[in-house]
Amino acid sequence: GNSVTQMEGPVTLSEEAFLTINCTYTATGYPSLFWYVQYPGEGLQLLLKATKADDKGSNKGFEATYRKETTSFHLEKGSVQVSDSAVYFCALSRNYGGSQGNLIFGKGTKLSVKP
Amino acid sequence: DSGVTQTPKHLITATGQRVTLRCSPRSGDLSVYWYQQSLDQGLQFLIQYYNGEERAKGNILERFSAQQFPDLHSELNLSSLELGDSALYFCASSVEQGKANVLTFGAGSRLTVL
Repeated sequence: GNSVTQMEGPVTLSEEAFLTINCTYTATGYPSLFWYVQYPGEGLQLLLKATKADDKGSNKGFEATYRKETTSFHLEKGSVQVSDSAVYFCALSRNYGGSQGNLIFGKGTKLSVKP
Repeated sequence: DSGVTQTPKHLITATGQRVTLRCSPRSGDLSVYWYQQSLDQGLQFLIQYYNGEERAKGNILERFSAQQFPDLHSELNLSSLELGDSALYFCASSVEQGKANVLTFGAGSRLTVL
């Protein structure tokens, strides 16, 4: 079945460090891929998405490339800030009972950035 | 503010009881999704409605039910509550239900069952 696996956290980095959060997926067909972010006490917010192979999603300095050959969608940022501290979720869309748009999420990776 | 409103924010109740969680989708969004977030299971899809009709079911227990009303708000009913039902319940909405569409999440309703 469809699933998402992302690296377990927590991840602790110093400000301005390079960030990579690994995400791999298993899916039938051609899903769309997403990264959502959850700040403390809030709901999930879309960070970026990619809808087909080799697409690169980017937002707020974060980027991820849809790699079909390695079934991966790793999240990267060149220089993290304290304000990036949050939980990051990788997700894929699926065709479920005729309805598309439902998301399967990874377990989330907690990122803490120290000054 | 995401535009998706969930009430109540917090709810504490006892085992065996029944609760109702409410969600008002973002203006213009026709599709509503319910998710359960717990430490052990992560984010689990429960159910989806589109313009008042059920469209997809995920890992929703038989003790749980939901509906979407003509004004597009949705309610998730949880009955015969067990300790393991304690979780954060999120509602999300979207304009449509295409594969690439973006879900907008509410802030969640935290349910504690004692």
